[in-house]
Amino acid sequence: TQLLEQSPQFLSIQEGENLTVYCNSSSVFSSLQWYRQEPGEGPVLLVTVVTGGEVKKLKRLTFQFGDARKDSSLHITAAQPGDTGLYLCAGAWYSGGGADGLTFGKGTHLIIQP
Amino acid sequence: SAVISQKPSRDICQRGTSLTIQCQVDSQVTMMFWYRQQPGQSLTLIATANQGSEATYESGFVIDKFPISRPNLTFSTLTVSNMSPEDSSIYLCSVRADTGELFFGEGSRLTVL
Repeated sequence: TQLLEQSPQFLSIQEGENLTVYCNSSSVFSSLQWYRQEPGEGPVLLVTVVTGGEVKKLKRLTFQFGDARKDSSLHITAAQPGDTGLYLCAGAWYSGGGADGLTFGKGTHLIIQP
Repeated sequence: SAVISQKPSRDICQRGTSLTIQCQVDSQVTMMFWYRQQPGQSLTLIATANQGSEATYESGFVIDKFPISRPNLTFSTLTVSNMSPEDSSIYLCSVRADTGELFFGEGSRLTVL
């Protein structure tokens, strides 16, 4: 079974601060996805990273895939209350993982206080 | 993209009863999945809903407890049988696009008393 560790599990910061969420595995990912889930909603895909060293930006969100494709990070600049939610990373491996092809991290509960 | 509608969106049920959750997709999809999300937790895959055949269950989940139907490529149901308070969760339907992206329904929040 492939394991995927996500940290921190909980994070509460003030509006305007920066933050980084991490997703790590001991195995090489074939690809990795980041989802965001708001209360009462299903997760929504933010980005998919595939290439080692890849950096993708989505407004104030910056996603980075490690050179060795074993880790990824999500950095939020100048966080706003609208960024509050559960952030999930989901990794795919060349072998193993669930039937959906993905293993989800435990998630990071992010609260941005005004 | 795919638009997924789930119902009910929430329900409160008595111990020992069963509840069936419906998932309707606005387009034909091959891969459809059911997840459970326990309070404050991440997603756990229950099973893959296979069209025209029995669902494929993940470890820890069995057909007697979570029977699944998939009569066509746009619709599936998940039944939570003989419910107990431990079954209180959000149940999510999802489909996988050709790109590998998963699209999720809004979830069905189940509370068992």
